[in-house]
Amino acid sequence: DTGVSQNPRHKITKRGQNVTFRCDPISEHNRLYWYRQTLGQGPEFLTYFQNEAQLEKSRLLSDRFSAERPKGSFSTLEIQRTEQGDSAMYLCASSLAAVDEQFFGPGTRLTVL
Amino acid sequence: AQSVTQLGSHVSVSEGALVLLRCNYSSSVPPYLFWYVQYPNQGLQLLLKYTSAATLVKGINGFEAEFKKSETSFHLTKPSAHMSDAAEYFCAVSEKAAGNKLTFGGGTRVLVKP
Repeated sequence: DTGVSQNPRHKITKRGQNVTFRCDPISEHNRLYWYRQTLGQGPEFLTYFQNEAQLEKSRLLSDRFSAERPKGSFSTLEIQRTEQGDSAMYLCASSLAAVDEQFFGPGTRLTVL
Repeated sequence: AQSVTQLGSHVSVSEGALVLLRCNYSSSVPPYLFWYVQYPNQGLQLLLKYTSAATLVKGINGFEAEFKKSETSFHLTKPSAHMSDAAEYFCAVSEKAAGNKLTFGGGTRVLVKP
């Protein structure tokens, strides 16, 4: 069990550019969650998958955001046409559907200039 | 809809003193409740969880929390603070029917004074 991993750990981009983050969950976990955390706040739910199916998206997830989990393994979160307000820590977590505990990765810190 | 309120965004305690972090929740169904700790530039680590078993829950690093349904509270305590407890702490609630997605409070930053 190597834990949840996220890449890259840090990303600096210019406004208007597209960025993509990757999350590798714990191997046997079938649920994968994305959260966003801005400075001084608690994480906010963005979306989650059970296997490859995306079951819920938050209203926070605008049309510029898209997430995928092909084959029910790793997941990617893409932000198109980034804005300064997208600057945040993006956290990924995974769990077994029948168990409530979510295990978090170290996060990807995005800075949009 | 579920929600979490953490009273006090910052708490300062002396080393060896009691740590008490307050959390109140709102949920339309029996909730699952969690406390997570976050160290600078790191992800979240689970301290403990309540999932409708014993109301007094013991976690890692000497922390414990008590679920009080009548008060809709899940306060976190540690009898004796250690310098390594300096971190940010988040209370969270989830509902099985809502896909177990977590709703977090705003967090409480703990400072431990020597």
